[in-house]
Amino acid sequence: NAGVTQTPKFRVLKTGQSMTLLCAQDMNHEYMYWYRQDPGMGLRLIHYSVGEGTTAKGEVPDGYNVSRLKKQNFLLGLESAAPSQTSVYFCASSWRHPVDFNSPLHFGNGTRLTVT
Amino acid sequence: AQSVTQPDIHITVSEGASLELRCNYSYGATPYLFWYVQSPGQGLQLLLKYFSGDTLVQGIKGFEAEFKRSQSSFNLRKPSVHWSDAAEYFCAVVDSGNTGKLIFGQGTTLQVKP
Repeated sequence: NAGVTQTPKFRVLKTGQSMTLLCAQDMNHEYMYWYRQDPGMGLRLIHYSVGEGTTAKGEVPDGYNVSRLKKQNFLLGLESAAPSQTSVYFCASSWRHPVDFNSPLHFGNGTRLTVT
Repeated sequence: AQSVTQPDIHITVSEGASLELRCNYSYGATPYLFWYVQSPGQGLQLLLKYFSGDTLVQGIKGFEAEFKRSQSSFNLRKPSVHWSDAAEYFCAVVDSGNTGKLIFGQGTTLQVKP
């Protein structure tokens, strides 16, 4: 089992460029999340999805868009990158709602993005 | 709104010493609480979770945590730290709505001295 796979692992963008981060899970999970991690701030939720075809905003959605056209994939897009979006991005997924005792959250290994 | 606070940004302990990482939460109802560990360059791995019942929870890698409602705390402990425990540790609580999203603390970086 691959689990949660994020591509790419590293990326450097110039201000104003666009890119898409891909998260793929092979566990048939319903819930998927995109977090960003910044020093001293823990992880903050950008967008999330509770099922195929659904998306919703998290704490820090500005400057990002997402799509969940297929259940196994959750895409995070940056239309016009800014230096403030320099961060490490983590995708996570769970089979059911994370309060289900048997539905732990699985994390990918992260994408390190630098915007110059 | 729910929040999680980890008062210690960095902690250094000697190998073999005991460890306690603090976590305080703000939540109206019974919280669902988690501790995650992140090794350098890796994603987050679940150490343990508390949903209800016994307030002392055992996790992987010899970690345990105690839920104390009166103190709004969920501190992580380990009796004897190993060098491989050096990592960043996150406490989290599940949001009260139907989203399932986790609210994370700021993280505590653990350094282990030989």
